Amino acid sequence: DTAVSQTPKYLVTQMGNDKSIKCEQNLGHDTMYWYKQDSKKFLKIMFSYNNKELIINETVPNRFSPKSPDKAHLNLHINSLELGDSAVYFCASSLQGGARNEQFFGPGTRLTVL
Amino acid sequence: QKEVEQDPGPLSVPEGAIVSLNCTYSNSAFQYFMWYRQYSRKGPELLMYTYSSGNKEDGRFTAQVDKSSKYISLFIRDSQPSDSATYLCALGTGGATNKLIFGTGTLLAVQP
Repeated sequence: DTAVSQTPKYLVTQMGNDKSIKCEQNLGHDTMYWYKQDSKKFLKIMFSYNNKELIINETVPNRFSPKSPDKAHLNLHINSLELGDSAVYFCASSLQGGARNEQFFGPGTRLTVL
Repeated sequence: QKEVEQDPGPLSVPEGAIVSLNCTYSNSAFQYFMWYRQYSRKGPELLMYTYSSGNKEDGRFTAQVDKSSKYISLFIRDSQPSDSATYLCALGTGGATNKLIFGTGTLLAVQP
C-alpha cells in the first residue's frame, strides 16, 4: 500500500553518465514534485507537474529534464552527471486545491556521482 | 536573506524535556505553515499543519504561528527518544503552484 514510491533507492554512477529516477504515486493526486536535498539537509523544489503540465520550474540546469507520462508518474532524467549532483532526490505528490495542500513524500533516491 | 530561516541545531535534550523549534520568515504572502519530521534516510512526513495565527495542539505537539512577527514554532512536550529526527518548517503561499519553501531543518536528539 505504498503511497509515493521511487526507484532506485540508491544510485552510484560516474561523472558524465546519464541516469533516470522514477516516481509513482497511488494516492489519486494530480500534482507531483521533485525536490533536491543537499548534504546539509536543505530541501529545495526543482519541478512540479499538475495533470502532466509543468507548473514549477526552478533555476535548475537544463541537464535535468522531468517527464510526466501521466498524473501518477513523474520521472527525472539527468544528463552528463556532475559531482555537485550528488544529493538525495525526493518525489512528492499532492491534491491541487485540497483542503490542506499537504505534500506526501517518497523515500528518496540517494544519488552519488563519483 | 533567505525566505525562511530556521535554527540549525543540532539540539540535544534529555528525555521528558520540552523542546522548542523555531522558524522566521520574511514573505507576508505565506498562508500555510507546516512542520515536517524527517527520520534519518527517510522522506519527510507531515507532522503539523496550520493556516492561522495562534496555537494548534495535537497530542504532545503544539504548533504556534505569529503572523505579525513572522515567526512559527513547534513545541514538543515530554520528548521521547523516538522524537529524534530532523524537523523542517515549510511555508506555502497556496495558489496554483502550491510551492513550499522549507527551512534548513533542525536536528533533534532526545537522550534516554
